[in-house]
Amino acid sequence: GAVVSQHPSWVICKSGTSVKIECRSLDFQATTMFWYRQFPKQSLMLMATSNEGSKATYEQGVEKDKFLINHASLTLSTLTVTSAHPEDSSFYICSARDSSGRGAYEQYFGPGTRLTVT
Amino acid sequence: DAKTTQPPSMDCAEGRAANLPCNHSTISGNEYVYWYRQIHSQGPQYIIHGLKNNETNEMASLIITEDRKSSTLILPHATLRDTAVYYCIVRVGRNQGGKLIFGQGTELSVKP
Repeated sequence: GAVVSQHPSWVICKSGTSVKIECRSLDFQATTMFWYRQFPKQSLMLMATSNEGSKATYEQGVEKDKFLINHASLTLSTLTVTSAHPEDSSFYICSARDSSGRGAYEQYFGPGTRLTVT
Repeated sequence: DAKTTQPPSMDCAEGRAANLPCNHSTISGNEYVYWYRQIHSQGPQYIIHGLKNNETNEMASLIITEDRKSSTLILPHATLRDTAVYYCIVRVGRNQGGKLIFGQGTELSVKP
């Protein structure tokens, strides 16, 4: 089946630094990828939609200057958390939509990245 | 996209069928019903989806009522590894865009 990877799987950083998370579709092309965050005991919250070669679309209330998204190729999207603070500590999950139109379902999720800001 | 309502939690005995309900009374004609599950600290996993007809795959069955206002996900023989949060989501089909917006889901506990 289609596989989405994320790197790193977990990261600890100091307050004020920036962290980059990569999301890759390993065996399919994805013109559209999605970034979610999830706090403990809560559901996934959609942050933004990333389209290859164009600017990301952010959900209401998500700061685009803080969460920089780059979708430079059909298999890679990155999320950079800039000037991270402890309240940015969360589980970040990406999802990729298969552009080919094949398959019974077109959106696949990565395993998530656990970010802890100290 | 239409909103869904699910019970917050359910228990099921191992080996028995788990029936997870979902209400989506405001669903539109072009919206599909999708089910995903999330095992603790992992990314969501696709289970099944449908539009009008009942669907079955190797993981589960999806029963959609005739008026499409509710559906039930059936895991025929639940195992301990099926313990997870199950999300019912309605959204437009792949060719019409649409985002997967997660609600609170149902936390299913399968007990020995």
